This record gives sequence, structure tokens and C-alpha cells, in this order.
Amino acid sequence: LAKTTQPISMDSYEGQEVNITCSHNNIATNDYITWYQQFPSQGPRFIIQGYKTKVTNEVASLFIPADRKSSTLSLPRVSLSDTAVYYCLVGVNFGNEKLTFGTGTRLTIIP
Amino acid sequence: NAGVTQTPKFQVLKTGQSMTLQCAQDMNHEYMSWYRQDPGMGLRLIHYSVGAGITDQGEVPNGYNVSRSTTEDFPLRLLSAAPSQTSVYFCASSYFGQGKAEAFFGQGTRLTVV
Repeated sequence: LAKTTQPISMDSYEGQEVNITCSHNNIATNDYITWYQQFPSQGPRFIIQGYKTKVTNEVASLFIPADRKSSTLSLPRVSLSDTAVYYCLVGVNFGNEKLTFGTGTRLTIIP
Repeated sequence: NAGVTQTPKFQVLKTGQSMTLQCAQDMNHEYMSWYRQDPGMGLRLIHYSVGAGITDQGEVPNGYNVSRSTTEDFPLRLLSAAPSQTSVYFCASSYFGQGKAEAFFGQGTRLTVV
């Protein structure tokens, strides 16, 4: 399972775009990159997943450069309700089903 | 659509007591897992299962047992509770397909061992 490194915490003001970067230098060819969001007192929930270039859904965008050694989760125009912990996971697929979460990035939105 | 259901939501145990945390999913997922989360910390994998009859250890398995007799259920047993096991426990079930995976989590069980 590829090791990931992401900032421990970030602060941002409401209305701004927030970018959280995850480093995964030893990502394997078949690995996907997945991001989860966890609100206090709740289990994590899936936000977005991608393999290369850019993926966008109603919640976020995921940018993956050509070398795939990092990825950036982008949250547009954040609000107070985006205050949460965000986890980056890499390398989960058949034959390697250990879903291990690191410490994540604690994002605090300031009014 | 229930998803992943954990019971109980809260539990207080005395040191040395045993108990079983229940987890059930209705999505027919082969993969299920248990995590613990201590205050201000990330999730740590306790045990996981890739299908009925198959279980394996995660990062912090000591003091916990699991079994998987059906696809739907994955109970977590605390053999002899210790204060260090005070934590919030999350169960997850996951879909795997073509290199992708998505995990669905229960609401958690808040366990206090006194």
C-alpha cells in the first residue's frame, strides 16, 4: 500500500477555494487515489476517486499530475460545513484490501 | 436503504468485562473492516475480512477477535476490556471493482472502559 503524506491541518476562510495536496511517491501502476471526508462524531464518507488527470463531481475536484506521485483535492468556495478531516488513500484494490487511513488533514473554515 | 448498521451506539464497560460490537451491512459487500478512533486521531484498522470465513489482522488487533460467518455480519469481540480500549469504533463495508474501492461506514460505537 503506497504511503501517503498530507498536511496535518489547514485553515481557510469561507468562500475561498481550498486545495489539499497528498504525496504518494511510490504509487503503483494500478493504484487509484481516493479521498474521504470525516465530520466530528461520524464515520468517514467517500468524496472522490481518480486515476489520472482530473476528476470532478458535485462535491470536489481531484487533480492528478502525469507522474501520479501526488494528488490535490480541491474544494470550491468552502463554507463552515466543510470543516472536517480529509483523508487521502492510495493503492486499494483486489489483492490489497487493507483500507488504512492515516491521520488526515484537519480543515478548519473560518467565518 | 440501511447501509451499515452498528450497535450499540454507546457502551460503558468495566475493566475485564467482555462484549461484542455488532455490525451489519445490506449492500452485499464482500469486504468489511473495523477501526478504532481515539480523540483527535486518525482511524486505525483493527481487523478486516474479504469474505465470509476469511479474516485478517489490521494495525492494532491485540485484544480483539472477529469472525465472519455471513456476508452481512462482522462482529467485533472485546475479550477482556481495558481502559486503553476506550475509543470510538467504526465498522465499514466496501465495494471493490476494477481497481476502485468505496467504503461505507456505520455511525460508530462510543465505548468507555472504566
